[in-house]
Amino acid sequence: IAGITQAPTSQILAAGRRMTLRCTQDMRHNAMYWYRQDLGLGLRLIHYSNTAGTTGKGEVPDGYSVSRANTDDFPLTLASAVPSQTSVYFCASSATSGYYNEQFFGPGTRLTVL
Amino acid sequence: AQSVSQHNHHVILSEAASLELGCNYSYGGTVNLFWYVQYPGQHLQLLLKYFSGDPLVKGIKGFEAEFIKSKFSFNLRKPSVQWSDTAEYFCAVNKGYSTLTFGKGTMLLVSP
Repeated sequence: IAGITQAPTSQILAAGRRMTLRCTQDMRHNAMYWYRQDLGLGLRLIHYSNTAGTTGKGEVPDGYSVSRANTDDFPLTLASAVPSQTSVYFCASSATSGYYNEQFFGPGTRLTVL
Repeated sequence: AQSVSQHNHHVILSEAASLELGCNYSYGGTVNLFWYVQYPGQHLQLLLKYFSGDPLVKGIKGFEAEFIKSKFSFNLRKPSVQWSDTAEYFCAVNKGYSTLTFGKGTMLLVSP
């Protein structure tokens, strides 16, 4: 089934540890996105990529990094996790970054940083 | 700064009641508008979208939304809700080639 997969589904992580959240899409979409979802704050964009080889910062990029080596994969790395990064992380993709960019979402990763 | 406001954080309705969830945005000019739904424990799914044309947009599961440009609004409606509509609803907006900006969400609880 076409779509977006994320791994892991959930993770408990000690503060200070490095963690990479994986995201893969098989829709050949050009654009990909990482959001975090926190109660009462909705979804906030962390980083995005309009096409393979390019990335950009969203609303809350600090403490996170991304790479886009190919079209399908868009990993999100927390270099040194802190408790405020406890959240649910959603990866999304859209066919283009252009005008009609309906986004499709993955199932999410629930991350707890202790 | 660009922003999207959803008026109600929580809405509680009985089955068969009518629903209207408010959404206002602060962008000027031409915008694209979306409503997404997140059922408990699931990821976001697109309910409906507006790019241009008829300002009354019909989506899945009996939902509709009306774009009122003069009011910068894109309110979501459903004439008769069901228990299965219990979910969190997000309005989202983008302008041109910008990324989507989401509202903070409205949690809808429908009691049977």
